[in-house]
Amino acid sequence: GNSVTQMEGPVTLSEEAFLTINCTYTATGYPSLFWYVQYPGEGLQLLLKATKADDKGSNKGFEATYRKETTSFHLEKGSVQVSDSAVYFCALKEGGSNYKLTFGKGTLLTVNP
Amino acid sequence: SQTIHQWPATLVQPVGSPLSLECTVEGTSNPNLYWYRQAAGRGLQLLFYSVGIGQISSEVPQNLSASRPQDRQFILSSKKLLLSDSGFYLCAWSSPYEQFFGPGTRLTVL
Repeated sequence: GNSVTQMEGPVTLSEEAFLTINCTYTATGYPSLFWYVQYPGEGLQLLLKATKADDKGSNKGFEATYRKETTSFHLEKGSVQVSDSAVYFCALKEGGSNYKLTFGKGTLLTVNP
Repeated sequence: SQTIHQWPATLVQPVGSPLSLECTVEGTSNPNLYWYRQAAGRGLQLLFYSVGIGQISSEVPQNLSASRPQDRQFILSSKKLLLSDSGFYLCAWSSPYEQFFGPGTRLTVL
């Protein structure tokens, strides 16, 4: 079956530090890949996505590149802010009409001023 | 624009009591709907999904059930709650391109 493995953290950084959250996946076929963010007490919001190999998703200074050869979709940001403190989830979607997502366990990021 | 509502926002229930969580979607028709649970220290677990009225698929065996009495209404229920049912319950709907999540319900079973 499909699975997503991401570094579980927690990750604690100082403001303006560089962020990497690793995500690798196992899937049949050619899945789409996503990063979701969950701010404290809220639901999940889509942060970025990539639908095919070598695509780069980007949003709010975050980036992730779909690497088929390493089955990875690592999340990066060059300079984090306190407001980036949240839980980040990597997820994949199989091809097909049923939009079922498989999530990683989430990574808690805390950014200190 | 589409919006998704969940209620209640928080709920504290005794073990053995019944449960009913409601989710409604506005601004779209015939959406795929999903219930997820997020337990403390764990990721999101898909519990149920529905592709239409009365059509429910269960992903994991448990004492929870789901129903879809109307096109844009999805209900999560239990006849008797267990301690292990505590968690953050998220409803979601999907377009062909993205899945959108509601604000969630925090359930504490005591």
